[in-house]
Amino acid sequence: DTEVTQTPKHLVMGMTNKKSLKCEQHMGHRAMYWYKQKAKKPPELMFVYSYEKLSINESVPSRFSPECPNSSLLNLHLHALQPEDSALYLCASSPGTGGTGARQFFGPGTRLTVL
Amino acid sequence: KQEVTQIPAALSVPEGENLVLNCSFTDSAIYNLQWFRQDPGKGLTSLLLIQSSQREQTSGRLNASLDKSSGRSTLYIAASQPGDSATYLCAVKNAGNMLTFGGGTRLMVKP
Repeated sequence: DTEVTQTPKHLVMGMTNKKSLKCEQHMGHRAMYWYKQKAKKPPELMFVYSYEKLSINESVPSRFSPECPNSSLLNLHLHALQPEDSALYLCASSPGTGGTGARQFFGPGTRLTVL
Repeated sequence: KQEVTQIPAALSVPEGENLVLNCSFTDSAIYNLQWFRQDPGKGLTSLLLIQSSQREQTSGRLNASLDKSSGRSTLYIAASQPGDSATYLCAVKNAGNMLTFGGGTRLMVKP
């Protein structure tokens, strides 16, 4: 299995809702990432987990809460989002975080719309 | 702070043409550089990864080169096809395992 899967593919939520995005990989990778991508812009890094521990938080608002229950699974919990948070949320994984060859593999993304 | 620029921002070519996409970066202390393809509303597909010690990588009709000292990479696409139409992103990896992306080149190959 050489892919990263994300669910759901699409999500519409109100500003008072609580929802979660899910990402899964079975490649034995030990690093997982969340990116946010606005239309016609490049992806922006949000969080990095290395060996199930949060290693990078790019000053993301607390209404986004990541969780890494195990080495294969990464969640992004959403609460009290704003309409400007509407974007494509991409998950990625890599074998590790160090070294030169840590190619990142991306999932198909979750298209989030906040009403 | 690393900055990555891609030129041109958009490109339209007739089918069959060979074309070159450019990527430049300001900090040459990179670990590697990746080229990605992204179809509208979809995730990123990794096309090629060049290690900092390498000069080029090839995959089928794609060839990517890296000149780390001058902070440049090019992606060469031979005999372009309509199916190559997509946005192409380059990304560099610095210390801390962070990828910095360029703004992308939107490619349209017309039949």
